[in-house]
Amino acid sequence: AQSVAQPEDQVNVAEGNPLTVKCTYSVSGNPYLFWYVQYPNRGLQFLLKYITGDNLVKGSYGFEAEFNKSQTSFHLKKPSALVSDSALYFCAVRDASYNTDKLIFGTGTRLQVFP
Amino acid sequence: DGGITQSPKYLFRKEGQNVTLSCEQNLNHDAMYWYRQDPGQGLRLIYYSQIVNDFQKGDIAEGYSVSREKKESFPLTVTSAQKNPTAFYLCASSIRGLAGGPPDTQYFGPGTRLTVL
Repeated sequence: AQSVAQPEDQVNVAEGNPLTVKCTYSVSGNPYLFWYVQYPNRGLQFLLKYITGDNLVKGSYGFEAEFNKSQTSFHLKKPSALVSDSALYFCAVRDASYNTDKLIFGTGTRLQVFP
Repeated sequence: DGGITQSPKYLFRKEGQNVTLSCEQNLNHDAMYWYRQDPGQGLRLIYYSQIVNDFQKGDIAEGYSVSREKKESFPLTVTSAQKNPTAFYLCASSIRGLAGGPPDTQYFGPGTRLTVL
């Protein structure tokens, strides 16, 4: 089975401070991992993905994520948060050993950046 | 959201009615997906289609139906058999439809909010 967990429902951070949104996964094979962001009443926007290669993945809007196989984590990070980063963030995973295009999404983490 | 359109943006349904949500993409993608989003539950897959004239049930297909007669269109019908249809519905597409290998990025439409009166 494959699953993904976002342990924090909400993360609060002051503007200018670094931010981290956590994601852990469980798969039987190697994982493919994604981060998406959703603004109110909008669809999801793709931020970045890990398929293979470097553990540090850089994405859109200054976001990056670090793949850690031993901790089965794929935390989203940004060195300096902006108020405009306030949104709902989703992590998603697919097990590489599965012959399917289905992604499993986490329940989402709401990021609130305060001025 | 560019390249994928969903209509209407808001939809109201009476008990016992069937309603159809539209999803169109001009990205020339083979695969299309329908998700349902409820507060605190993330996204759940309803149906997906890897190629024209073919589609597969997702995790919560009961009470829903789809068709894929054209590459660019993947309409979702919410039938009266769906007991709790009030939700935000998201359509997505990705380049390749064939399973196997790394998954292609899914791109999402702006969503349709369905409310049952």
